Amino acid sequence: SQQGEEDPQALSIQEGENATMNCSYKTSINNLQWYRQNSGRGLVHLILIRSNEREKHSGRLRVTLDTSKKSSSLLITASRAADTASYFCATSTDKLIFGTGTRLQVFP
Amino acid sequence: DAEITQSPRHKITETGRQVTLACHQTWNHNNMFWYRQDLGHGLRLIHYSYGVQDTNKGEVSDGYSVSRSNTEDLPLTLESAASSQTSVYFCASRSRAHQETQYFGPGTRLLVL
Repeated sequence: SQQGEEDPQALSIQEGENATMNCSYKTSINNLQWYRQNSGRGLVHLILIRSNEREKHSGRLRVTLDTSKKSSSLLITASRAADTASYFCATSTDKLIFGTGTRLQVFP
Repeated sequence: DAEITQSPRHKITETGRQVTLACHQTWNHNNMFWYRQDLGHGLRLIHYSYGVQDTNKGEVSDGYSVSRSNTEDLPLTLESAASSQTSVYFCASRSRAHQETQYFGPGTRLLVL
C-alpha cells in the first residue's frame, strides 16, 4: 500500500511561476524525501528532510514538513521548462515507500 | 564515477518463460532494492537486500525472486512470466545508514506477451 499520496496528480504552469506539490502520509517516519523522474528515466533524489526539521531549502527548492499533520510540500520557485517531470515523495522508516507522484508540465 | 546499471533496458518475453533482469552498482552499497512502476501505482517495492546472502520480500514479491551473492549485483528473476508483470523495473541502492538517499538505475521496460 502507498504511504505517500501526492496532490495534485498533475500540474501545468508557465515558466517563471511557482509550482507547489503536496504529500500526505500515514505513519511515523524517519525522514521524507523528494525525487524527480524525467520521462523514460530513473528517479533522481532532490532533497531529504528529517522528521525533526520543519523546512529545508536547496537552490530553487523549498520543502516543508509538518509531522503533526503528516504532510509535506515541495515548492519549486521560478520554474523552468526543464523542470517538466514527475515528482515523487517517499517516506523513510527502514525502507522507502513512494507516493503516486505529481506530473508537472512547465510551458515556455 | 560510481554508477548503477540495469540490463537489458528493454525486454519482450512470452508468458511462462523465466526472465532475469540484471542490476549492478559500483558504489559498494550494502542495500539494494527492486521496484516496479505502473501507471496509477507509483513505485512498489518487490524485493530488497541489506547485504550479501540477505534477501527480503517487499510489497509485491509474488512471482519474483532475488539472490545476493556479492555486494555489486542483485539480479531479479521472474520465475514464470505473466502478463501482469509487464511493467518498468527499477533497481536502486543506498549505503547502510538508513538516512541516506537511494540511487536509481535507468530502468528496464519489460513486456510479457
